[in-house]
Amino acid sequence: QVQLQESGPGLVKPSQTLSLTCTVSGASTSSGGYYWTWIRQHPGKGLEWIGYMYYSGSTYYNPSLKSRVTISVDTSKNEFSLKLSSVTAADTAVYYCARVTRSSGSYIFEYWGQGALVTVSS
Amino acid sequence: SSELTQDPAVSVALGQTVRITCQGDNFRTYYPSWYQQKPGQAPVLVIFGQNYRPSGIPDRFSGSSSGNTASLTITGAQAEDEADYYCNSRDNSGDHLYVFGTGTKVTVL
Repeated sequence: QVQLQESGPGLVKPSQTLSLTCTVSGASTSSGGYYWTWIRQHPGKGLEWIGYMYYSGSTYYNPSLKSRVTISVDTSKNEFSLKLSSVTAADTAVYYCARVTRSSGSYIFEYWGQGALVTVSS
Repeated sequence: SSELTQDPAVSVALGQTVRITCQGDNFRTYYPSWYQQKPGQAPVLVIFGQNYRPSGIPDRFSGSSSGNTASLTITGAQAEDEADYYCNSRDNSGDHLYVFGTGTKVTVL
C-alpha cells in the first residue's frame, strides 16, 4: 500500500523559506510514470496545485508561485521536498503531498498525504 | 491558465440523486477526475477517466463529460457522502499545469 507523509515546521516567520518533506512508502520515487506533487489548501478554501517533479527530474510549477517554489526528489531517501521562499501570511495553508499518474485518459491524484498545516506568523 | 467552475453548494435528500457539475475548457484532451474531501481529511479520488471508480468507491458514484461540462452523479446519496467535491483536470495548453475546480459542498438532508 502506497503511503505518503508530510513533515516539517508548522510555524514559519514571514520572509523566510517554508520547507516540507514528503516521505514515501510502498513505492519508489525513482519509478517511472509518476509525478511527485504538492498541493495546498488555504483555511476554508479550495485546493491549489503547487507543482510537481516527474521521475525524470523535470519540474513544473503553478505560474502564480513559480518564482518562489522549488520541488526536489531524493531517491536515496525515497522522499521529495517543497521549498517556498519569501513567505507571507497568505501562504498559511494545509500542504499536501500526492502521487499523480496518468490513467484511462485522466491525470489522477491517486495517493495523498494526510496534510501538514503551516502557519506563517512572526 | 484555465479555470474550472463548480456550484458552491448543493443539497440532496437522503436516498435521492444529486449531480455536481464542473465547467471549463480542459476536457477536450483529458478526462477530469473527481475528489471527495471530508472535514479535516485529505481528498480522496472517487472518479476518473470516462467513468472509472478506484477500488473501494461505491458504485453510486458515476461520472460523465460532454463538451465543456463534466459531471459527478451520486445516485442514492447516503449520509456519509456529505462532503466537499472537487474536479480536476490537466490544462490542455500543453504547459503541464493542473487545475482544481472551485469545489461543491454537498449536504445530505
